[in-house]
Amino acid sequence: EPEVTQTPSHQVTQMGQEVILRCVPISNHLYFYWYRQILGQKVEFLVSFYNNEISEKSEIFDDQFSVERPDGSNFTLKIRSTKLEDSAMYFCASSEALVTVIVNQPQHFGDGTRLSIL
Amino acid sequence: AQKVTQAQTEISVVEKEDVTLDCVYETRDTTYYLFWYKQPPSGELVFLIRRNSFDEQNEISGRYSWNFQKSTSSFNFTITASQVVDSAVYFCALSETASGTYKYIFGTGTRLKVLA
Repeated sequence: EPEVTQTPSHQVTQMGQEVILRCVPISNHLYFYWYRQILGQKVEFLVSFYNNEISEKSEIFDDQFSVERPDGSNFTLKIRSTKLEDSAMYFCASSEALVTVIVNQPQHFGDGTRLSIL
Repeated sequence: AQKVTQAQTEISVVEKEDVTLDCVYETRDTTYYLFWYKQPPSGELVFLIRRNSFDEQNEISGRYSWNFQKSTSSFNFTITASQVVDSAVYFCALSETASGTYKYIFGTGTRLKVLA
């Protein structure tokens, strides 16, 4: 069964450094998402992306965050200047194109990248 | 505003006991989806079930069953004859369709510990 893959599984970065988290969504999916889970807390929505642009972003997704689909397969989350509080598990998800407003295609999640900021 | 509440932060049961995890949601949409995910200690999110707002039929899958009641805005999850491998954090999530973004709103999770 096709799956969403995320690399690396664990990233350790010094505070203030830039970090790029990579995701390869399922090939025929057109909707992409990033979520964040601080240790021991709930999973929180960061951003959704469709048709090469952001369709929605949360309050967490401030100017230090950006997303990109640089080619036909990768979907990246960049954190420009990392802070200690960015330490979390980051999940990428993708879903198929919507057929009608009634049909909400399920999101498929990757296994996550654990980001540790020192 | 949309919201998912999982009031039980942690539940401990002894193996073979039945356990019910509660989920209460809030939404203004008439069309929405509800989900349950399992997060084992390894950290990945494992999809368990999706239910749309038009389908209130309860569902059973092996030892798992789900009770969806729109009247009380609840979508509870029962594990029958629990096993140690069921130990994990379980998240309930809501996705609305009217907003057009389909983001998931997760509850805070319930940590289930099944003791041998």
